Amino acid sequence: QVQLQESGPGLVKPSETLSLTCTVSGGFISNYYWSWIRQPPGKGLEWIGYIYYSGSTNSNPSLKSRVTISVDTSKNQFSLRLRSLTAADTAVYYCARLGNYPYWGQGTLVTVSS
Amino acid sequence: QSALTQPASVSGSPGQSITISCTGTSSDVGSYNLVSWYQQHPGKAPKLIIYEVSERPSGVSTRFSGSKSGNTASLTISGLQAEDETDYYCCSYARSGTFASWVFGGGTKLTVL
Repeated sequence: QVQLQESGPGLVKPSETLSLTCTVSGGFISNYYWSWIRQPPGKGLEWIGYIYYSGSTNSNPSLKSRVTISVDTSKNQFSLRLRSLTAADTAVYYCARLGNYPYWGQGTLVTVSS
Repeated sequence: QSALTQPASVSGSPGQSITISCTGTSSDVGSYNLVSWYQQHPGKAPKLIIYEVSERPSGVSTRFSGSKSGNTASLTISGLQAEDETDYYCCSYARSGTFASWVFGGGTKLTVL
């Protein structure tokens, strides 16, 4: 059973950069696409972007200029960096393996506040 | 990419059946069978209830079923129960030219009367 677990700071200051890591267990990160998704409080789900284990990426055009997604196959992890944060980036961030049979992490709340 | 269109709310009485629609385009729902549905209770992570349009994960009640016609996917919940009252989201793979992505619906709040 594939399991995903997000980790990172729960509070980040405006204008700073958010860094989150997703650790995959119960399966190898190879041969799949791995995504980040977020959900602002009281709102819907938004796909942020994905990375293939080989390193190729794609991001939501609305966030593309601020997003970097990377992968570390040796650690079975992939990461998200989101720059120039504002209060609008406050959300629960999920990592997931979308696809034929989706797997999601439990999510981590990130609050952007000074 | 545009969000998939779901009704903001639906309602039904216990024991009845309801259907939630999820309308996309020929670039997403209409062209790919990678449509999934999620149930999300307040403060919890989304729970997968349907994948690949109509497949049910192990352990998910048979009261939940999915289908697709053209650019619209649908989630049907039969024999409504009080515990079904919560939010539901659809998700689809999308591709426009060489750009591949995933797109979500705006969510539907189900009220059990």
